Amino acid sequence: GDSVTQMEGPVTLSEEAFLTINCTYTATGYPSLFWYVQYPGEGLQLLLKATKADDKGSNKGFEATYRKETTSFHLEKGSVQVSDSAVYFCALSEGAGGTSYGKLTFGQGTILTVHP
Amino acid sequence: DSGVTQTPKHLITATGQRVTLRCSPRSGDLSVYWYQQSLDQGLQFLIQYYNGEERAKGNILERFSAQQFPDLHSELNLSSLELGDSALYFCASSVGAGKGEPQHFGDGTRLSIL
Repeated sequence: GDSVTQMEGPVTLSEEAFLTINCTYTATGYPSLFWYVQYPGEGLQLLLKATKADDKGSNKGFEATYRKETTSFHLEKGSVQVSDSAVYFCALSEGAGGTSYGKLTFGQGTILTVHP
Repeated sequence: DSGVTQTPKHLITATGQRVTLRCSPRSGDLSVYWYQQSLDQGLQFLIQYYNGEERAKGNILERFSAQQFPDLHSELNLSSLELGDSALYFCASSVGAGKGEPQHFGDGTRLSIL
């Protein structure tokens, strides 16, 4: 079945440092890929998405490129802020048997803490 | 604010009991999803409804059931509750039901079984 693997955390960085959170996936077809962020006490918010190979999703300084050859969708940000401290989830959705499903398969989440 | 409303925010009950979690999707969204978040299992998809019809089923126990009503709100019913059912239950909604649709999440209902 489908699966998503994220780099183990937690990740602790100083403000303005470069961020990479690795994400690889296993899927039988051509999934859509997402990054969601969860702040304490809140639900998940969509950060960015990509729906086909070589697409780059970007939002709020975060970027991720859909790499089919390496089945990866790594999240990057050039300069993190204290306000970026949260839990980040990589996720995929795909269809089966000709049907496109929206259900998300999530990675285990990566806790990011940014210090001033 | 995602526009998705979940009630109640917290629920504390005992083993063997039954509870109902409610979700109102964003205005205009036809698809509703339920997810369970726990420390040991992470985020797991439970079930999806689209315009009142069940669309996809995931790791949902037989003790759990859900439905989507004509006004598109949804309810998740959990019965014969066990300690292991303690978790955060999220509802999400999207306009359509396909794989590229971004989902908008509510703030969740935290269920504690004593």
